[in-house]
Amino acid sequence: KAGVTQTPRYLIKTRGQQVTLSCSPISGHRSVSWYQQTPGQGLQFLFEYFSETQRNKGNFPGRFSGRQFSNSRSEMNVSTLELGDSALYLCASSFAWGSTDTQYFGPGTRLTVL
Amino acid sequence: AQKITQTQPGMFVQEKEAVTLDCTYDTSDQSYGLFWYKQPSSGEMIFLIYQGSYDEQNATEGRYSLNFQKARKSANLVISASQLGDSAMYFCAMREGNDKLTFGKGTLLTVNP
Repeated sequence: KAGVTQTPRYLIKTRGQQVTLSCSPISGHRSVSWYQQTPGQGLQFLFEYFSETQRNKGNFPGRFSGRQFSNSRSEMNVSTLELGDSALYLCASSFAWGSTDTQYFGPGTRLTVL
Repeated sequence: AQKITQTQPGMFVQEKEAVTLDCTYDTSDQSYGLFWYKQPSSGEMIFLIYQGSYDEQNATEGRYSLNFQKARKSANLVISASQLGDSAMYFCAMREGNDKLTFGKGTLLTVNP
């Protein structure tokens, strides 16, 4: 079974631009979560979707948004990029939504903002 | 307050020896899950092992075992017979009910030949 895939793997943008990252979950998984990882802040939760509905949201400004499609694929968008948005963005999928469901991660998208 | 505390920023172990990575957690929920992940320098987070709050037996997965002490709110990862490929960052994480998955700050494990 194919794992979680994320595209693109690497991205370079300039301040003020916007970016869209994509995540395809493991087949049959209906929940997708997004995380931002930086050396300074560690792993920070962005949002979680289950059955096309946002179920949990982290403490990020409104420039960060996401959505999930009917096939469970998810996208996250960052508008008006700032230098501090440079990070590894990780997507994870799980079969359902709850404390017993293991999240499996994709390889990440490394975003650099110049 | 930190929900997940990993007190060891870095650990060293000799190849073929066992190592314990510490994790304590804070929750008042009865239903929660505890997870350990490995992140090599490539960046991908690899799931290692899961322990449910109602599980009475410690979880094991190959060379990985989770030493679950519920009363002490402790969920230490034990890696037996360390290999060079075990050198990586290790994260402990907890999920309470349907809340988000919360990670600790991680422990960088270095396996020496």
